Amino acid sequence: GAGVSQTPSNKVTEKGKYVELRCDPISGHTALYWYRQSLGQGPEFLIYFQGTGAADDSGLPNDRFFAVRPEGSVSTLKIQRTERGDSAVYLCASSPGTSGDDEQFFGPGTRLTVL
Amino acid sequence: AQTVTQSQPEMSVQEAETVTLSCTYDTSESDYYLFWYKQPPSRQMILVIRQEAYKQQNATENRFSVNFQKAAKSFSLKISDSQLGDAAMYFCASAYMEYGNKLVFGAGTILRVKS
Repeated sequence: GAGVSQTPSNKVTEKGKYVELRCDPISGHTALYWYRQSLGQGPEFLIYFQGTGAADDSGLPNDRFFAVRPEGSVSTLKIQRTERGDSAVYLCASSPGTSGDDEQFFGPGTRLTVL
Repeated sequence: AQTVTQSQPEMSVQEAETVTLSCTYDTSESDYYLFWYKQPPSRQMILVIRQEAYKQQNATENRFSVNFQKAAKSFSLKISDSQLGDAAMYFCASAYMEYGNKLVFGAGTILRVKS
């Protein structure tokens, strides 16, 4: 079966622009996570969804970042007024649920470059 | 706050030899999981091995095993019979059911395998 997919794989934008990053989770997975990985660092948690609702958005760095999952499947991470510091790889992961036995499956990430 | 520390930025191992990657973590929680993930240059994060904190027996997956020292909050990964395909960035991570299983990652260790 298909794994987690993310589009685009690479996105180059100019400072101040708006971007949307898309994540298609594994079918049937109710939990969806977004992480941000800066160069040479480990991924950092941004937000996770259980179904359609954001269960924890404590990792979003500021109000320029927003994510939705309107139908409980595909999720979109939206960044307004992009800044050079937003440049990173944005990883999405999905899992069947949020119990300890539920493995998170990662997508290949979107590399965002803000010029 | 939960933290994960990987003190080895880079490690090298000769093909067919054994290497151990170190990881320590800090938590006051009692119910948690620990993981080792592999991230090759393709950026795809792959789960290598998982340990449940309440299980005393160390997890093993083929050539990969862990040394879980709960009192010392240490969780090292041992790779036996190293192969060229093991070369990658390795991340140690923790997750807590109370927090929706969101992952907290260390900074990573680059593993180089020499032929």
